[in-house]
Amino acid sequence: AQRVTQPEKLLSVFKGAPVELKCNYSYSGSPELFWYVQYSRQRLQLLLRHISRESIKGFTADLNKGETSFHLKKPFAQEEDSAMYYCALSGGGGSSNTGKLIFGQGTTLQVKP
Amino acid sequence: ETGVTQSPTHLIKTRGQQVTLRCSSQSGHNTVSWYQQALGQGPQFIFQYYREEENGRGNFPPRFSGLQFPNYSSELNVNALELDDSALYLCAGGLAGVRETQYFGPGTRLLVL
Repeated sequence: AQRVTQPEKLLSVFKGAPVELKCNYSYSGSPELFWYVQYSRQRLQLLLRHISRESIKGFTADLNKGETSFHLKKPFAQEEDSAMYYCALSGGGGSSNTGKLIFGQGTTLQVKP
Repeated sequence: ETGVTQSPTHLIKTRGQQVTLRCSSQSGHNTVSWYQQALGQGPQFIFQYYREEENGRGNFPPRFSGLQFPNYSSELNVNALELDDSALYLCAGGLAGVRETQYFGPGTRLLVL
């Protein structure tokens, strides 16, 4: 079964501390993984995707197929990083190639001053 | 960047009624996906439409149905509402052929009494 697990509902850190938001997945095939973020009173938006191997707002995420993980990391947290973070897996769609997204339950990141 | 809008923002219905939620995507989005997000949970995929036909469906009963129109708008219809249908409903516009490019709307919050 395709599944995304985010084991922490809440992660609270102080400004300047390193951050790691955990994500594990279950998928038979070549997965495509993403991190979405939702800031307060804003809509869900794409933060980064593993195929791009990019760093957005100082965040990076590496796909580890052996451990079936896609943890989100940032070396120095900022107060403006406080938000809800969702890990998502592309489960494949029909003819469109866009595919459905399977989301984890989300982790609230709270960065304290 | 994202021009996806949804209406209404909030809605209250009673059990057994029917509801129609609307989504307007931006020019160029030829797929639309609908998600249900219960309180404290990640979004769950309901279905996707591509070229005005259903293109993948999640684990939702047939009383959840949809339409996609040529003008980049879409509807989600839910018949015989149940209390558990109370949730935030998200639509996401996408571009077929560019994997995982899904842009989310702000959502419609439905309360079933």
